Amino acid sequence: GDSVTQMEGPVTLSEEAFLTINCTYTATGYPSLFWYVQYPGEGLQLLLKATKADDKGSNKGFEATYRKETTSFHLEKGSVQVSDSAVYFCALSPGAGGADGLTFGKGTHLIIQP
Amino acid sequence: NAGVTQTPKFQVLKTGQSMTLQCAQDMNHNSMYWYRQDPGMGLRLIYYSASEGTTDKGEVPNGYNVSRLNKREFSLRLESAAPSQTSVYFCASSEAPGIASGSFGEQFFGPGTRLTVL
Repeated sequence: GDSVTQMEGPVTLSEEAFLTINCTYTATGYPSLFWYVQYPGEGLQLLLKATKADDKGSNKGFEATYRKETTSFHLEKGSVQVSDSAVYFCALSPGAGGADGLTFGKGTHLIIQP
Repeated sequence: NAGVTQTPKFQVLKTGQSMTLQCAQDMNHNSMYWYRQDPGMGLRLIYYSASEGTTDKGEVPNGYNVSRLNKREFSLRLESAAPSQTSVYFCASSEAPGIASGSFGEQFFGPGTRLTVL
């Protein structure tokens, strides 16, 4: 079946550092890929998405590129802020017709120190 | 437009008690989901409903039942709570991916219910 693997952390960085959170996936067909963010005490929010190979999703300074050849969707940000401290989840959705939900990675806890 | 709402926000139960977690969405989505989140385990799907009138088991359905009351509402019931069900529960909704819906399967989440079973 489908699966998503991501670094679990915690990942601790200083403010203004460069961020990469790795995500790789296994899926048949042509999945769509997502990054979600969960701030403390809150639900998950969709951060960005990419729906086909070589697409780049971007939002709030975060970017991720759908790499089919390496089955990866790494999350990057050039300069992190304390307010980016959260748990980040990589997820995939199967192609058309799938209504049984997303497959999530286990989440990466990001801590940004001032 | 409230999105996905969940009640209650917090709940403490004793072993063997029952309760129902409520979820409602106002985005006219066909599909709804219940997840539980535990430390180090990520999110695990309990049950889902692809459309009004249908429900299916997810990865961890034991000890739970669900009801899709109408298109808006999807409830999760614990008949006899156990300490292993201590968790944070999230409800989500989406459209099934496809050209007709314009969706790619992205889900929208509620704020969660933090449940403790003593």
